[in-house]
Amino acid sequence: DTGVSQDPRHKITKRGQNVTFRCDPISEHNRLYWYRQTLGQGPEFLTYFQNEAQLEKSRLLSDRFSAERPKGSFSTLEIQRTEQGDSAMYLCASTARGGANVLTFGAGSRLTVL
Amino acid sequence: GEDVEQSLFLSVREGDSSVINCTYTDSSSTYLYWYKQEPGAGLQLLTYIFSNMDMKQDQRLTVLLNKKDKHLSLRIADTQTGDSAIYFCAEIGGYQKVTFGTGTKLQVIP
Repeated sequence: DTGVSQDPRHKITKRGQNVTFRCDPISEHNRLYWYRQTLGQGPEFLTYFQNEAQLEKSRLLSDRFSAERPKGSFSTLEIQRTEQGDSAMYLCASTARGGANVLTFGAGSRLTVL
Repeated sequence: GEDVEQSLFLSVREGDSSVINCTYTDSSSTYLYWYKQEPGAGLQLLTYIFSNMDMKQDQRLTVLLNKKDKHLSLRIADTQTGDSAIYFCAEIGGYQKVTFGTGTKLQVIP
């Protein structure tokens, strides 16, 4: 197992464009989380899946953000009509159900909106 | 609310002990965590404590939990330059939502 994989590692886009990030969790992990991290801040919770079900979504998340996990394996995070304020590192983490719910993080996808 | 608060910066001399503090608000948290983030790297779990424990020791790391005050601390004994990083505490709340603090940057002076 290669851990949690995220793609792309870096995305530069113009304001108003749509972007999509992909996360491949550790294969036996059924829980998957998305976070956003800006410089000098801690990871900000965006959303969480258990298998294919999206169980929790941040109230701070605008309608431009949507996440899916159609088959309970990989997940995608789409940002529509990007704004400069969306520039951040988008982190994905996964964990197995039960136990201490320890998150394993991917390396992140850095978004720069020009 | 579910705000997790930490002081932003801590500077210690090599060989001294470091103590990083955290205040959380979700009294129903079953686990509390410490994660470490080194420059340019992802977050990695350092240690965690179950909510029915007061203390957990793991080699140079000691975690203290005060549930009454919702206070969590991480003590690093014999701090080394390799311990320089940002340390995040985190709590798990309803629906398994994991909330992170703002992070404490630890600087170790040789």
